[in-house]
Amino acid sequence: QQQVKQSPQSLIVQKGGISIINCAYENTAFDYFPWYQQFPGKGPALLIAIRPDVSEKKEGRFTISFNKSAKQFSLHIMDSQPGDSATYFCAASMSGYSTLTFGKGTMLLVSP
Amino acid sequence: DAGVIQSPRHEVTEMGQEVTLRCKPISGHNSLFWYRQTMMRGLELLIYFNNNVPIDDSGMPEDRFSAKMPNASFSTLKIQPSEPRDSAVYFCASSSHPGAATEAFFGQGTRLTVV
Repeated sequence: QQQVKQSPQSLIVQKGGISIINCAYENTAFDYFPWYQQFPGKGPALLIAIRPDVSEKKEGRFTISFNKSAKQFSLHIMDSQPGDSATYFCAASMSGYSTLTFGKGTMLLVSP
Repeated sequence: DAGVIQSPRHEVTEMGQEVTLRCKPISGHNSLFWYRQTMMRGLELLIYFNNNVPIDDSGMPEDRFSAKMPNASFSTLKIQPSEPRDSAVYFCASSSHPGAATEAFFGQGTRLTVV
């Protein structure tokens, strides 16, 4: 199974700060890069996703930055709030194959 | 729609017993996935069904694990016999547009503890 490497494993950010989570992939056939958010006791839920024809996608306080040449993408959470405290997973998939390959996850804690 | 429904939410069983996890995907979704989540290994794909047919079961750890999808609205994941190392949270997910990279909707998971 192709790998997606995610860092850091855990992250503590002050309220109002910027949270940054990074992912790197190997398979150049990947063409869909979602981020999932998971709260304790819940299943992961799609937060935001990007395809490689754009370098950035923004939805509210959440932004994905994508660097195709470096095979890296990152999630930025602006003005981080305690309610953002969760585990975040990056993932990758390719057309013609529906399954997602997930990173190991980042536990984010936003302190009040 | 109520989303992907999994049962039971929690299961505690003794080593050697058979365990059956159940999943009802979102109506109209053609693809169904079983994932296992542990602290050490993160989210691992176990098996993927498309239109009720198993497409990729390369993630199934060993013969003790089996999965079925008898119809579009129901799937089971069975472990027989169960072992302590099978303790994990098992997620079922479904999506539409098989073959296209698109959003997967996850259930709330079944937390399995094998003692």
